Amino acid sequence: AQTVTQSQPEMSVQEAETVTLSCTYDTSESDYYLFWYKQPPSRQMILVIRQEAYKQQNATENRFSVNFQKAAKSFSLKISDSQLGDAAMYFCAYSGYGNKLVFGAGTILRVKS
Amino acid sequence: DGGITQSPKYLFRKEGQNVTLSCEQNLNHDAMYWYRQDPGQGLRLIYYSQIVNDFQKGDIAEGYSVSREKKESFPLTVTSAQKNPTAFYLCASSILVLEPQHFGDGTRLSIL
Repeated sequence: AQTVTQSQPEMSVQEAETVTLSCTYDTSESDYYLFWYKQPPSRQMILVIRQEAYKQQNATENRFSVNFQKAAKSFSLKISDSQLGDAAMYFCAYSGYGNKLVFGAGTILRVKS
Repeated sequence: DGGITQSPKYLFRKEGQNVTLSCEQNLNHDAMYWYRQDPGQGLRLIYYSQIVNDFQKGDIAEGYSVSREKKESFPLTVTSAQKNPTAFYLCASSILVLEPQHFGDGTRLSIL
């Protein structure tokens, strides 16, 4: 079975600074997707970024980028120029055969002004 | 606007009672999912359906039941067999095959 591990229960960043959230996963599948979801206090789940395993190029969405290391099974999220609105719980998720999402336990990100 | 609608937003269950959470989507997605979220934890898959009239158990299906009679609808029943139902429940949908899942706003279920 696939597992996703987020080793940082909580992180803090100063406004306008950069922060990296860590995620590792375990799988024997060769074709899969990885995602980062954001859950603000409203509890809504918002897709931040996704990465296809077959692509070597790291995904980027505006201030959000990933460092995907397939051999190491690592998938970290970098947030540049952090904003107060980035404060939320961030979940790393894996999707393989059957399109079932497996979530990590989450990392709470606090942004200081 | 297309999206996923969950209702009600808040739900209370009495001991021994079954309750049903509604999930409707107008995105024309084939696959639908139910997740449970406990405080401070990630989401765990309860049931999922990849096509009408078919569904499969997820990791924590005991005490829950679902139906998928229409493509747009995937209701979740929390039965009296679920001894610890207090949680936040999220419904999601996706086009089949490795596409991102879109989530509803969730239902918070509590025990009276």
